[in-house]
Amino acid sequence: QAQFVQSGAEVKKPGASVKVSCKASGDGFTRYNFYWVRQDSGQRLEWMGWINAGDGATRYSHKFQGRVAFTRDTSATTLYMELSSLTTEDTAVYYCARGFASDAFDLWGQGTVVTVSS
Amino acid sequence: QSVLTQPPSVSGAPGQRVTISCTGGDSNIGTPYDVHWYQQLPGAAPQLLLYAYTNTPSGVPGRFSGSKSGTSASLAITGLQVEDEGHYYCQSYDSRLRDIVFGGGTKLTVL
Repeated sequence: QAQFVQSGAEVKKPGASVKVSCKASGDGFTRYNFYWVRQDSGQRLEWMGWINAGDGATRYSHKFQGRVAFTRDTSATTLYMELSSLTTEDTAVYYCARGFASDAFDLWGQGTVVTVSS
Repeated sequence: QSVLTQPPSVSGAPGQRVTISCTGGDSNIGTPYDVHWYQQLPGAAPQLLLYAYTNTPSGVPGRFSGSKSGTSASLAITGLQVEDEGHYYCQSYDSRLRDIVFGGGTKLTVL
């Protein structure tokens, strides 16, 4: 049974960067696109982009373009999301998720809380 | 403000039927792009409930169904159960923004 385990909560100061990891277990890691989605304190979900675990191709939401980077380590079946130039508006729970038909997300990590505060 | 509009809350008694709407426009739901629905129970991550409007992943009960009409989609839940309480989100793709977009979410309360 495939599952994801994300890294622990982070507290960062404005202007800093954060790197969240997402360890995938189960078969077929390199066959999928993986997505990053965040959820703010108002419970709104926001798509950040995706990475193809096979060739490393990425696509970022226009909102985060230039400030976010997705990478993966195929030998460790782990995904990474790095977000830079943090502001308090980036305080949220960050999720990794696996792509399914038509950009649906059929499997989610447990979420990583990122708090940005001075 | 979300691109896809959902009612902030709905409620119903156990056993009843409720519907949750997701209203978009001609650059998202009004296109051939699919709509997906997620359920988020308290303290948990979202989970896929319906994909491509009407399809249920394995393990999702048949009490959940979806539909589309014009630029709106709907999620129907029949035989409401207390364990259905949580938040529900719709998701699609917007061709004008060229981004995946979500509705603002609907909190379901089972009275």
